[in-house]
Amino acid sequence: QKEVEQNSGPLSVPEGAIASLNCTYSDRGSQSFFWYRQYSGKSPELIMFIYSNGDKEDGRFTAQLNKASQYVSLLIRDSQPSDSATYLCAVNAGGTSYGKLTFGQGTILTVHP
Amino acid sequence: GAVVSQHPSWVICKSGTSVKIECRSLDFQATTMFWYRQFPKQSLMLMATSNEGSKATYEQGVEKDKFLINHASLTLSTLTVTSAHPEDSSFYICSVSPGTETYNEQFFGPGTRLTVL
Repeated sequence: QKEVEQNSGPLSVPEGAIASLNCTYSDRGSQSFFWYRQYSGKSPELIMFIYSNGDKEDGRFTAQLNKASQYVSLLIRDSQPSDSATYLCAVNAGGTSYGKLTFGQGTILTVHP
Repeated sequence: GAVVSQHPSWVICKSGTSVKIECRSLDFQATTMFWYRQFPKQSLMLMATSNEGSKATYEQGVEKDKFLINHASLTLSTLTVTSAHPEDSSFYICSVSPGTETYNEQFFGPGTRLTVL
C-alpha cells in the first residue's frame, strides 16, 4: 500500500509568518511530488511540483525534497489570510504508474490577521 | 496551466438513475485523463485512468460496470455513474496532464458535485 502522510493539522499561523507543511511517502521509487491548494468546495489548484532533491522556490513558496528521507515539504513565506486553505501533498510513483497521483490526507492551514 | 472544464458543476438525482459527467481539455489534446473522487473531509482518490480510444483502467475497488468511462476524443472524457445510490454522492474531479513524463504536472477540472437522494 503506497501511502502519503501529511502533518496533522489544523495549522494556524499569524499573517506574515512562515507556514511549514510536511509530507512523507512510503514508496521509495516515487519520482515526482506535487503540492496542491484546495479551497473549500473547490478543486485542487497546483502550487508547485518538484522531482529533484533540494529546494525549489517560486515566489513565496519553497518546496523541499529529500528522497533519502522520503520527505517533502512546502514553506509559505509571508503568509496571507488568502493562503488559508487545505494543502494536499501528492506523489507520482512513475513508471507504469505514470500520471497516477496518490494524495495525502491534507493539512488545513489558517492564517489569521 | 492547462484549462480543464467539467459539466455539470453540480447535479442532484434520484437513487437508481444514471448521471453523466463530462471532462474537457480545452487547450491541448489529452490522450490520457484521470478521474478522482473526493468524499467530504477526505482527500482525493484516483478512480480510473481514461485512455483515448481504448478501455479505461480502474483502480482496485472501483466497479467498472458502475462507473463507465468513455474517452472518445482527445479532448473529451465522460464518466457515467450508473444506478447511482446515496453512497455515490461525492465530488468527482477529472485531471489532465500535458505530457507523458512522470514529472509533468496534472491540472484539475473544477469538479462535479453529485448528490444522490
